[in-house]
Amino acid sequence: DQQVKQNSPSLSVQEGRISILNCDYTNSMFDYFLWYKKYPAEGPTFLISISSIKDKNEDGRFTVFLNKSAKHLSLHIVPSQPGDSAVYFCAASENTPLVFGKGTRLSVIA
Amino acid sequence: SQTIHQWPATLVQPVGSPLSLECTVEGTSNPNLYWYRQAAGRGLQLLFYSVGIGQISSEVPQNLSASRPQDRQFILSSKKLLLSDSGFYLCAWSPIGTEEKLFFGSGTQLSVL
Repeated sequence: DQQVKQNSPSLSVQEGRISILNCDYTNSMFDYFLWYKKYPAEGPTFLISISSIKDKNEDGRFTVFLNKSAKHLSLHIVPSQPGDSAVYFCAASENTPLVFGKGTRLSVIA
Repeated sequence: SQTIHQWPATLVQPVGSPLSLECTVEGTSNPNLYWYRQAAGRGLQLLFYSVGIGQISSEVPQNLSASRPQDRQFILSSKKLLLSDSGFYLCAWSPIGTEEKLFFGSGTQLSVL
């Protein structure tokens, strides 16, 4: 039973446009959400996070939105750059080890 | 600053052979330690986590085991590898008292043939 779902395995976006990566979760007890970025043959690196008491968190080109009623969060990257091409994992926690989604492979085309 | 070391980077092992992957963390004390696996076409699956020496929690029943002989050392083992054990294994740590933000090692690509 997947508690964190990323239903789009891949996404292609043109350089300079907005990338929107989506994530849904089923456990209403999750209170902290994170996005990780992973390049091939490397470990994931932390990108941005949001607490359940907020609905938006912004860090430079990256913004995460949380809709608790819909149990949905999204990561917006604007403008997208070729270096953003990677696999993005959504993760959630309720003061337990992180539960990860399956990831979405983003390809930013120059 | 804290660093995490994981080795080897790649490993090719025959079915039925043993496995030992090692992970060490520097620059912090009493970290929480984790082993995750990313299998082909799947996400990051938590295998084991530890909040202290000798304290191991297993998330998925399998033929793998983990041990924490020292505060900053975490070892993933198997007595007999299966084909299904192939995958990308990641060690991670988080500061004591929180499981929210993980810092990952560079991973081990294991191919069981």
